[in-house]
Amino acid sequence: NFMLTQPHSVSESPGKTVSISCTRSSGSIAGNYVQWYQQRPGSSPTAVIYENNQRPSGVPDRFSGSIDSSSNSASLTISGLRTEDEADYYCQSYDTTAVVFGGGTKLTVL
Amino acid sequence: EVQLLESGGGLVQPGGSLRLSCVASGFTFNTYALTWVRQAPGKGLEWVSGITGSGDNTYYVDSVKGRFTISRDNSKNTLDLQMNSLRAEDTALYYCAKSSSWDWTDAFDIWGQGTMVTVS
Repeated sequence: NFMLTQPHSVSESPGKTVSISCTRSSGSIAGNYVQWYQQRPGSSPTAVIYENNQRPSGVPDRFSGSIDSSSNSASLTISGLRTEDEADYYCQSYDTTAVVFGGGTKLTVL
Repeated sequence: EVQLLESGGGLVQPGGSLRLSCVASGFTFNTYALTWVRQAPGKGLEWVSGITGSGDNTYYVDSVKGRFTISRDNSKNTLDLQMNSLRAEDTALYYCAKSSSWDWTDAFDIWGQGTMVTVS
């Protein structure tokens, strides 16, 4: 199976833009959709991006997703950062036999 | 309202067994794939097992193959995870999650609150 590697943590100021990367170790990032989940402390995860760049209903358009085949990675970008965006973010993809989550990135908005 | 409610967690000795259940409401149960995801204390998310809407196909992470069995009862809107030969490393909060379609690899759009399993 493959792995998804994320930075352990990122931080940025309110109102700024931050991107979180997710690199696939083997197999093409474009071969299977990537999802992104937000998990606030003490809460269950919720999807913020599905199918690489689609936003579920209710997720603000400050959240966007993309993939880059040249680096075999996906990115979650959050613009106009708010303190409520402070959370752990996980990328997720799959192959024919398993679903894989990235290790998670702690976003601090300070 | 679409809801998933897990139960069955608890404290068990190494080598023991536990059966987790997840009761669903608010959607047409048999048309969606379901999955179990766990999170060890202070750690990240780990996919454990998935099952298609019909229950005909099941999938497992390598570390639980042969020890865990996922199943569903579409007449009762329930999802189960039978866990045998439990190890300390299985200690985690276990979430039940619903796929957004019949496809077990689709995004997980609804999550339960989780049930805690402690192996010690």
